[in-house]
Amino acid sequence: AQTVTQSQPEMSVQEAETVTLSCTYDTSESDYYLFWYKQPPSRQMILVIRQEAYKQQNATENRFSVNFQKAAKSFSLKISDSQLGDAAMYFCAYSGSRLTFGEGTQLTVNP
Amino acid sequence: GAVVSQHPSRVICKSGTSVKIECRSLDFQATTMFWYRQFPKQSLMLMATSNEGSKATYEQGVEKDKFLINHASLTLSTLTVTSAHPEDSSFYICSAIRGPGGTYEQYFGPGTRLTVT
Repeated sequence: AQTVTQSQPEMSVQEAETVTLSCTYDTSESDYYLFWYKQPPSRQMILVIRQEAYKQQNATENRFSVNFQKAAKSFSLKISDSQLGDAAMYFCAYSGSRLTFGEGTQLTVNP
Repeated sequence: GAVVSQHPSRVICKSGTSVKIECRSLDFQATTMFWYRQFPKQSLMLMATSNEGSKATYEQGVEKDKFLINHASLTLSTLTVTSAHPEDSSFYICSAIRGPGGTYEQYFGPGTRLTVT
């Protein structure tokens, strides 16, 4: 079975600074996708970024980028120039035969 | 595009009654829909996977007679919580994908907060 681990229950960052959220996963599958989702207080799940396992190039979406290390099964999210609106729960998710979520990291952005 | 709606957004029901939650894909056809349950400050827990026109596949530990799932069309799936009890109070989220399998992006509904009194 696939597992996803987020070792940081809570993180905080100063506005305009950079923060990195960690995620590791375990799988025996070779073809899969990885996602970072954001869940603000409204609880609507919002896709932040996705990475296809067969692509070596790290995905980037504006201020959000990932460091995908396939051999190490690591998938961290870097948020640059943090904004107050980035404050939310962030979930790392693995999608192979099914979507599996990590426990989440609560990100606080301090003004 | 890829909008998923849920109705109702909040519902309060009395213990022993049943409540139905609808999940609709508004601008695409969803061959597969998923139902999740989320407790406060916890992650999403997959309850079941439903494919249009066939029986839902429930995760281990989820009572299929209590949580009835129907995926009658390519744009609608419903979750009925039967004989609800206070412990069923939770946040229920549905999601949908355009293609077969689990490798495609899931589009999430806004969730339904169920409170059983």
